[in-house]
Amino acid sequence: AQKITQTQPGMFVQEKEAVTLDCTYDTSDPSYGLFWYKQPSSGEMIFLIYQGSYDQQNATEGRYSLNFQKARKSANLVISASQLGDSAMYFCAMSPTGFQKLVFGTGTRLLVSP
Amino acid sequence: DSGVTQTPKHLITATGQRVTLRCSPRSGDLSVYWYQQSLDQGLQFLIQYYNGEERAKGNILERFSAQQFPDLHSELNLSSLELGDSALYFCASAAGIGSFELNNEQFFGPGTRLTVL
Repeated sequence: AQKITQTQPGMFVQEKEAVTLDCTYDTSDPSYGLFWYKQPSSGEMIFLIYQGSYDQQNATEGRYSLNFQKARKSANLVISASQLGDSAMYFCAMSPTGFQKLVFGTGTRLLVSP
Repeated sequence: DSGVTQTPKHLITATGQRVTLRCSPRSGDLSVYWYQQSLDQGLQFLIQYYNGEERAKGNILERFSAQQFPDLHSELNLSSLELGDSALYFCASAAGIGSFELNNEQFFGPGTRLTVL
């Protein structure tokens, strides 16, 4: 079975600083995908970034980057130059072989202060 | 805007009742996924359809059922509702069944918030 662990229930960061949200995963699948989603207070789920297990380089999407350490089974999200609009819940998720479902972690609530 | 639409946005009903949640995937997406988000269970995968056929099942109760129609929209039917069914129900769509080469991320709709009183 697959499992995602997010150990930080809440994180605080000041505007313009960088922040790292932790995610570790457990799977026996030889290949898998890792995702981060953002959920603002309005409730929608917004896709941020994807990392494939065989990707050699860490994924980046604008201010988001994924620090993928396969041996440690970690897929931390780094947000650079935080903005007030980054305040939200952030979910790490993985898809086992076949992309048939997403398995989510419990989420980290990020609060960005002025 | 993800391109995935869900109706209704909010639904309030009583225990024992039956409701239908509707989802229209992004144009061209063949896969539809249903997820439930509740305070005690978190985000859980319920069921997946691909081009009209059921492809995978997760923690979906027997009281719940779903289908995907020829025009690719999907409906999630919840019956004999209980207080514990109160949750945010998401539909997500993706291009195919799954292909790592294609970076097959799922795009979520805005969700239907179900309240069972």
